[in-house]
Amino acid sequence: AQSVTQLDSQVPVFEEAPVELRCNYSSSVSVYLFWYVQYPNQGLQLLLKYLSGSTLVKGINGFEAEFNKSQTSFHLRKPSVHISDTAEYFCAVSDKSNYQLIWGAGTKLIIKP
Amino acid sequence: KAGVTQTPRYLIKTRGQQVTLSCSPISGHRSVSWYQQTPGQGLQFLFEYFSETQRNKGNFPGRFSGRQFSNSRSEMNVSTLELGDSALYLCASSEASQGAGEQYFGPGTRLTVT
Repeated sequence: AQSVTQLDSQVPVFEEAPVELRCNYSSSVSVYLFWYVQYPNQGLQLLLKYLSGSTLVKGINGFEAEFNKSQTSFHLRKPSVHISDTAEYFCAVSDKSNYQLIWGAGTKLIIKP
Repeated sequence: KAGVTQTPRYLIKTRGQQVTLSCSPISGHRSVSWYQQTPGQGLQFLFEYFSETQRNKGNFPGRFSGRQFSNSRSEMNVSTLELGDSALYLCASSEASQGAGEQYFGPGTRLTVT
């Protein structure tokens, strides 16, 4: 069965520094990949998605992610974070056979002024 | 288009009672999924409905049930509430199935069981 691992439960980073949030999934079969963000006291919002095509995917708020099939990873990056990026970030994967989303445990991004 | 709405936003219930939560998806979306979010367990999938049929189900006891109406609105019911059911319950709608398409989330219903 498919599983998703977000390697860090929390990532503290200084404002204007770059950040990478890591996501690995278990199965190498054809998958769709997603990153969602949850701001405090809100629901989740899609940041970006990989369905097919270019392995570098650009999303909202300056985030991007790279699909690496050989390493079964989909890490999220931003070159310069802002205090408003403080949130929890979730990686999700669905395989194309049953379309059920499998979620990672989430990574809290903590921005230090 | 209006976003996904969930009612009520906050709810306090006593152990042993039952509760019904409501979700109105984005107009035109036929898939509605429900999730339970807790600090300890993270985001856990409850079930997905598509055109009034339950299409996917997570690993939750039978006390958790749901349904979808012809206008795609969905309700989730939890019977015989337990303290461990305290959580944020999120609803998400999609044009396609749960995983293939982008999911749009509501703000959630915060359920507290005392």
